[in-house]
Amino acid sequence: DFQMTQSPSSLSASVGDRVTITCRATQDIKNYLGWYQQKPGKGPKLLIYAASTLQSGVPSRFSGSGSGTDFTLTISSLHPEDVATYYCQKSGMFGQGTKVEIK
Amino acid sequence: QLQLQESGPGLVKPSETLSLTCTVSGGSISSTSHYWAWIRQPPGKGLDWIASINYSGNTYYGGTLRSRVTISVDTSKNQFSLRLNSVTVADTAVYYCARLIDCTTSCYFDPWGQGTLVTVSS
Repeated sequence: DFQMTQSPSSLSASVGDRVTITCRATQDIKNYLGWYQQKPGKGPKLLIYAASTLQSGVPSRFSGSGSGTDFTLTISSLHPEDVATYYCQKSGMFGQGTKVEIK
Repeated sequence: QLQLQESGPGLVKPSETLSLTCTVSGGSISSTSHYWAWIRQPPGKGLDWIASINYSGNTYYGGTLRSRVTISVDTSKNQFSLRLNSVTVADTAVYYCARLIDCTTSCYFDPWGQGTLVTVSS
């Protein structure tokens, strides 16, 4: 069965740190990957689609890369408002999420 | 700016039917470029896609709930709806509606509604 695995499941970093989240697919999905941010009590927000295209209005400190089976979401400089859970997505399947907290 | 708003009962009894409606504002549900979707999130857990539909009634269903779910669209009201039969406590979740974009290759969910918590309890 097709699966998507994110790592780590949670992380704690300092304001200004570079943060990297990975998503691995069990089969080649080309660049068909999205990244979402979900803040507590809110619906998810699309950050990146097609693996590396920044959705309109999303800060440029967010970036995505990868193709095939391995993908990365990077926050170049962590801001306090970036505290959230991040999900990768391919079609109807989501990764299990990565919770980002401030140290 | 497109907005989606979920509505429906917050409490449903076991074995009954859960019914939710998503109202779309700031845009037309009859757009030929988009599908519309329901996704749910059990408390403290991840996201689970339930079903999608377009303006003409073409539907796709996720595997886990396929046998109990019906998605429908009402273009006159700019709404689409979800019905989930024979609910159990395991169906307790926040239910979100969302628009699907860029489905020429792989669909992405954007934007999302704020979500509505549905609790299944007697």
